[in-house]
Amino acid sequence: EVQLVESGGGLVQPGGSLRLSCAASGFTFSSYWMHWVRQAPGKGLVWVSRLNTDGSAPKYADSVKGRFTISRDNAKNTLSLQMNSLRVEDTAVYYCTRVYCTTGGGCYFDYWGQGTLVTVSS
Amino acid sequence: SYELIQPPSVSVSPGQTAGITCSGDKLGDKNVYWYQQKPGQSPVVVIYQNTKRPSGIPERFSGSTSGITATLTISGTQPVDEADYYCQAWDNDYVVFGGGTKLTVL
Repeated sequence: EVQLVESGGGLVQPGGSLRLSCAASGFTFSSYWMHWVRQAPGKGLVWVSRLNTDGSAPKYADSVKGRFTISRDNAKNTLSLQMNSLRVEDTAVYYCTRVYCTTGGGCYFDYWGQGTLVTVSS
Repeated sequence: SYELIQPPSVSVSPGQTAGITCSGDKLGDKNVYWYQQKPGQSPVVVIYQNTKRPSGIPERFSGSTSGITATLTISGTQPVDEADYYCQAWDNDYVVFGGGTKLTVL
């Protein structure tokens, strides 16, 4: 059974740092691109970042570029998100999600974690 | 930056057909995906590649595209379908979500 379990959320002051982790199991982690998607309280889904299979090509939303760093450890089946210079507007539930690509070329998020809440407040 | 526009809310009576739209520039040239999210839960894909339904998703869910608009249709809507629905597309290797539509079944 595929499982994605996020951890590391919590309360942090503006300007602070936090590191999120996503423990993957039930599939060959090293074969899948992985993403982080966030959702502010009562708001919609917003894409944050993605990483390819070997970790060589990260990509970020403009809103987090230069502050967040995505990484992965394929030996430990773990995806991470290092968040620095946190802002109040970064407050959200952060989801780890796997991308599945069909033979027809379409790619979608087929498994999601339960999410971890990050609250940035003084 | 690319945007996908959805109506904030849609209401439907049980047993009727609900349609949720998603509009974006040149959306007809892209694959569109639809996710359902119930309160306190993670999103679940209900339609991929515009019209395809993953295994386990009821047949009452269908997707279509026409021009710049994609539509998620729920036929014979049931109270259990009450949820937020998000469309999603890829734009230059970036992921874009619509703002979400709250479907109320009443």
